[in-house]
Amino acid sequence: DVKVTQSSRYLVKRTGEKVFLECVQDMDHENMFWYRQDPGLGLRLIYFSYDVKMKEKGDIPEGYSVSREKKERFSLILESASTNQTSMYLCASRAAGSTDTQYFGPGTRLTVL
Amino acid sequence: RKEVEQDPGPFNVPEGATVAFNCTYSNSASQSFFWYRQDCRKEPKLLMSVYSSGNEDGRFTAQLNRASQYISLLIRDSKLSDSATYLCVVNPTGNASKLTFGTGTRLQVTL
Repeated sequence: DVKVTQSSRYLVKRTGEKVFLECVQDMDHENMFWYRQDPGLGLRLIYFSYDVKMKEKGDIPEGYSVSREKKERFSLILESASTNQTSMYLCASRAAGSTDTQYFGPGTRLTVL
Repeated sequence: RKEVEQDPGPFNVPEGATVAFNCTYSNSASQSFFWYRQDCRKEPKLLMSVYSSGNEDGRFTAQLNRASQYISLLIRDSKLSDSATYLCVVNPTGNASKLTFGTGTRLQVTL
């Protein structure tokens, strides 16, 4: 069974703080993804990575950065958190094959006050 | 036009009913297709892949119509436990990169 874990289920931060969200997968997947999910907007891709030290912008990268130093770990960084970054953050991983699906972590509900 | 479009619902159906959802996609070169299920406050989980010839998994049937660029999900004999949001997912480019998610269709099965 694929397992994707995220460092926190719930997080409360203040405006301007630096926030780290960690994601770890145990299936040796090449691809990892960070999404945010908001009511009415669905899942929106922030960044993804197809290999160690590689990253690509998704649809809404502004205000975020990522780090992938090891294959199993993909971190999302909010350099200076803002209230409009309050959201559910979901990490996912996927093998390299085009027909393979994605496996999600349980999500981190981030509130920025 | 959105890359993947779904009716948000909610679809309210009684137990035992048959319900169908459609999803349209804009990129005719899309390679692979999936239905995910998401329960309230949980992460999305794969329900089933969608194959060109159509496929069935118990009470669930998925169909792909490439000519009209839509996929469908049919749920027979609905159960209370089927209540969830169903996400249509498309791999638009066929390579090992990102999937495109619809915003989901909410299903509520009632007694």
